[in-house]
Amino acid sequence: DQQVKQNSPSLSVQEGRISILNCDYTNSMFDYFLWYKKYPAEGPTFLISISSIKDKNEDGRFTVFLNKSAKHLSLHIVPSQPGDSAVYFCAASAISNTGKLIFGQGTTLQVKP
Amino acid sequence: NAGVMQNPRHLVRRRGQEARLRCSPMKGHSHVYWYRQLPEEGLKFMVYLQKENIIDESGMPKERFSAEFPKEGPSILRIQQVVRGDSAAYFCASSPPRNQPSTDTQYFGPGTRLTVL
Repeated sequence: DQQVKQNSPSLSVQEGRISILNCDYTNSMFDYFLWYKKYPAEGPTFLISISSIKDKNEDGRFTVFLNKSAKHLSLHIVPSQPGDSAVYFCAASAISNTGKLIFGQGTTLQVKP
Repeated sequence: NAGVMQNPRHLVRRRGQEARLRCSPMKGHSHVYWYRQLPEEGLKFMVYLQKENIIDESGMPKERFSAEFPKEGPSILRIQQVVRGDSAAYFCASSPPRNQPSTDTQYFGPGTRLTVL
């Protein structure tokens, strides 16, 4: 039972353009959502998060949008840079469930110069 | 402020041996989570610990796996009698106590890559 899904295994964009990574979830108890970036042979690095009481959170080039009715969130990176090339994981947690993170399968982003 | 530390970074064991993975959380963090990433998959939750307590072990295999977070020292994930299917990257994450801001953000260590021959 995959509660968090990232349906696009990979995404390729041109440097300077917008990257949009998508994530869907099924569990309505989730109330906190996070995006992590991961390079090969390294641990996930926290990027940005959003609470279920908000629908948007912005931090520099990164913006996360949450659509609770659709159980969908997205990460926008603008402008995209070659250094953004990595695997991006969406994760969700529920305070009522000890806060453990449920991860999606990841999307590999390639930003071409 | 040092990040989450894990050691060893790489561990090779033969089938039937024991593997011990260590995790030191970020300074001031009292919550530790262990996750496992199998090849070509996302991270899967294994266990959540606070000092001297296992809070949630719903993701731990029923046999051969155990975890602890003693009053002093790092958290340990122990795998007894390893099998080839245990080969994976094991990540530890930590988060602040619940009475502080951003308590739900978990910060990850670099991982331990376990290879079972």
